[in-house]
Amino acid sequence: ELKVEQNPLFLSMQEGKNYTIYCNYSTTSDRLYWYRQDPGKSLESLFVLLSNGAVKQEGRLMASLDTKARLSTLHITAAVHDLSATYFCVVSRNDMRFGAGTRLTVKP
Amino acid sequence: ETGVTQSPTHLIKTRGQQVTLRCSSQSGHNTVSWYQQALGQGPQFIFQYYREEENGRGNFPPRFSGLQFPNYSSELNVNALELDDSALYLCASSLDGRQGEAFFGQGTRLTVV
Repeated sequence: ELKVEQNPLFLSMQEGKNYTIYCNYSTTSDRLYWYRQDPGKSLESLFVLLSNGAVKQEGRLMASLDTKARLSTLHITAAVHDLSATYFCVVSRNDMRFGAGTRLTVKP
Repeated sequence: ETGVTQSPTHLIKTRGQQVTLRCSSQSGHNTVSWYQQALGQGPQFIFQYYREEENGRGNFPPRFSGLQFPNYSSELNVNALELDDSALYLCASSLDGRQGEAFFGQGTRLTVV
């Protein structure tokens, strides 16, 4: 059974700091996604990673994929308050399997 | 805005009742997936419809059923509601089954009392 594990589950950061969220998954997959969810809101697609070594960047967020290690990372550079949200790693195989999410709080 | 719309946005039902939730896909998308998100948890896959046929199902009982219409809109039906069915129900549309990037609607918040 495909399992997706994210860590940390909770992350409190100071503005301006860097941090990385990790996503491990248990079996091979077709592709990997990162989504953002604000409280009470739906899910916003951030990145789609299709192949080993894929790296994508948008603003202060950068995602990477290592299919051999079954690991994806979401790196946050110089965090700002607007990045406060829950971030989900999602692995696609027969269905889209979500990690538990990382609840990020960026403090001034 | 993703172009995926769900109705209603909020709903309160009594245990044992039945409920129908609706989803309108993004234009051009032929695949709809439904997810249940309990408070504080990640979304759980319920099922997917591709060109009006069920195309995969998660670990949910048969009282969760669905339909996809020729215009690719979709319904999620839940019979015999239980208190644990209280959750945010998310619909996602994509192109061409499991390979397409999914775009989510705003969700329907269902409360069972």
